[in-house]
Amino acid sequence: DAGVIQSPRHEVTEMGQEVTLRCKPISGHDYLFWYRQTMMRGLELLIYFNNNVPIDDSGMPEDRFSAKMPNASFSTLKIQPSEPRDSAVYFCASSFRGASSGNTIYFGEGSWLTVV
Amino acid sequence: QKEVEQDPGPLSVPEGAIVSLNCTYSNSAFQYFMWYRQYSRKGPELLMYTYSSGNKEDGRFTAQVDKSSKYISLFIRDSQPSDSATYLCAMSEVQGGKLIFGQGTELSVKP
Repeated sequence: DAGVIQSPRHEVTEMGQEVTLRCKPISGHDYLFWYRQTMMRGLELLIYFNNNVPIDDSGMPEDRFSAKMPNASFSTLKIQPSEPRDSAVYFCASSFRGASSGNTIYFGEGSWLTVV
Repeated sequence: QKEVEQDPGPLSVPEGAIVSLNCTYSNSAFQYFMWYRQYSRKGPELLMYTYSSGNKEDGRFTAQVDKSSKYISLFIRDSQPSDSATYLCAMSEVQGGKLIFGQGTELSVKP
């Protein structure tokens, strides 16, 4: 299996621009997670989906952030407009049956975002 | 207060040392406890998983959970330079599906 695939791997953008991060989960997985990692705050859960339906978006920092999962093999995380404080590594992860039964969550390599 | 607290370190030890990594948590509904390892510029990968209280051993690694104290630990025996990474504790409830992480502890094992 190719694992969780994220794109782009690196992005540098100017403040105020729209940023779209993309994710392809592992085939057959029914849960998809978006995390953000910074030195100050560690790895924070932003939102997660079950069978393409958003279940908990309480971690989304503000209305500038939105996430969609139009089908089982694709998800996007969008930031509009972007701000320098959004600079972080954004990880997409997927699992079969979610973490509640102790199932493994598999992470992608991350999208390194810098907003200048 | 964050649900899961973990000392971010960094922690530097000589090769062969015993390493102890710890997390505390506040949510008594957590039942599944994991340790993930993250190498530089990579995504986290599952290292060990424990359900409820008790110990679990896997080679040089031992995970301990004390639910009465809301405290979990990871011990690494005979540490190796290849163990140099960030170690993140993670926890989940029986219901809900999501996994909550600690901040991660950066470990460096010097030859």
